[in-house]
Amino acid sequence: AQKITQTQPGMFVQEKEAVTLDCTYDTSDQSYGLFWYKQPSSGEMIFLIYQGSYDEQNATEGRYSLNFQKARKSANLVISASQLGDSAMYFCAMRGNTGGFKTIFGAGTRLFVKA
Amino acid sequence: DGGITQSPKYLFRKEGQNVTLSCEQNLNHDAMYWYRQDPGQGLRLIYYSQIVNDFQKGDIAEGYSVSREKKESFPLTVTSAQKNPTAFYLCASSIDGSNTEAFFGQGTRLTVV
Repeated sequence: AQKITQTQPGMFVQEKEAVTLDCTYDTSDQSYGLFWYKQPSSGEMIFLIYQGSYDEQNATEGRYSLNFQKARKSANLVISASQLGDSAMYFCAMRGNTGGFKTIFGAGTRLFVKA
Repeated sequence: DGGITQSPKYLFRKEGQNVTLSCEQNLNHDAMYWYRQDPGQGLRLIYYSQIVNDFQKGDIAEGYSVSREKKESFPLTVTSAQKNPTAFYLCASSIDGSNTEAFFGQGTRLTVV
């Protein structure tokens, strides 16, 4: 069975500093994708970054980077130079190539950016 | 503009009534999903569909039903059998495959009184 674990219910970070949000996963699929989404208080889900299981380099998108350690089954999100607008819920998600490509999500981490 | 539309944004129903949540996409995506989100919690998969006329149960399908008669549409019915239906419901779609992100609608907040 597939599973996503986010062990940090809440995180605080000072504005302009970097923060790492943890994500570990479990799957028997050889090919899978890992995703991070941001959910502001409005409820919309905003896609941030994607990492494929066969990608050798860590994904980066602007201030977001994904620290992918395949052997440890971890896919941590790093946000550099935090901004007040980064305060939100962050979800790690995974989709495999078996079981109909269903996408499962972790419980999320609420990030608070302090001025 | 392409996207996913969920309607309505807020929905109130009396206990014991069935209610159908709408989800329409014009992205030409094959796969569509329904998730439930409770306050302060993550997203739990209710149903998903890879192709028209086919769908699979997710982790919490009991008390829900879906149909996929058209590629663009994936309505979710919350039946009276769902014991605790008050929640935020999110619909998503994606190109089939493991390497593409899902696009989400704005969500429907269902309150059962």
